[in-house]
Amino acid sequence: GAVVSQHPSWVICKSGTSVKIECRSLDFQATTMFWYRQFPKQSLMLMATSNEGSKATYEQGVEKDKFLINHASLTLSTLTVTSAHPEDSSFYICSARDWTGTGGNYGYTFGSGTRLTVV
Amino acid sequence: GQNIDQPTEMTATEGAIVQINCTYQTSGFNGLFWYQQHAGEAPTFLSYNVLDGLEEKGRFSSFLSRSKGYSYLLLKELQMKDSASYLCAVRDPLNRDDKIIFGKGTRLHILP
Repeated sequence: GAVVSQHPSWVICKSGTSVKIECRSLDFQATTMFWYRQFPKQSLMLMATSNEGSKATYEQGVEKDKFLINHASLTLSTLTVTSAHPEDSSFYICSARDWTGTGGNYGYTFGSGTRLTVV
Repeated sequence: GQNIDQPTEMTATEGAIVQINCTYQTSGFNGLFWYQQHAGEAPTFLSYNVLDGLEEKGRFSSFLSRSKGYSYLLLKELQMKDSASYLCAVRDPLNRDDKIIFGKGTRLHILP
């Protein structure tokens, strides 16, 4: 079935620095990538949607200049948390939309998540 | 707007049956997912309902009533490993991206 490789699994960074998270679709083309954030004991909150070759669409309340999304190819999308602060510490997870539907899970495949801790 | 409600926490006993309810009010509807998520891990797909009725898959079943905006996940013969969060999520077709919106999740505790 479809697999999305997400890296890094965890990262600790200093306040004020930037962190890049990568999601790569293996064996299928992810024309759409969804980025979620999850705080402890809470559910997944959609941050933004990216389509290959176009600008990302951000959900209300999500700062587009802080969370930079790049989806330059059909197999790679990145989320960069710029000038990170402790309140950005969270679990970030991507979900790739497989429009062919051949990858299983009815076309939505999640990465394994990235635990970001900002100190 | 989007509103997906499910209980915050539930407790059940090993070997028993538990039903987790989900109600939704969304602008559009193109199917409902149930996922299982253990702490610190990605969600795992359990079921997808797009038509009314019951879908059974081993110990897990999921039901959908589109007219009532209601779904439930039924877990039978509970095992300790079923202790996890269960997420109800609706597929929103109102834009070309066909995004999934999640409810807040139900944390299920299994007692021996």
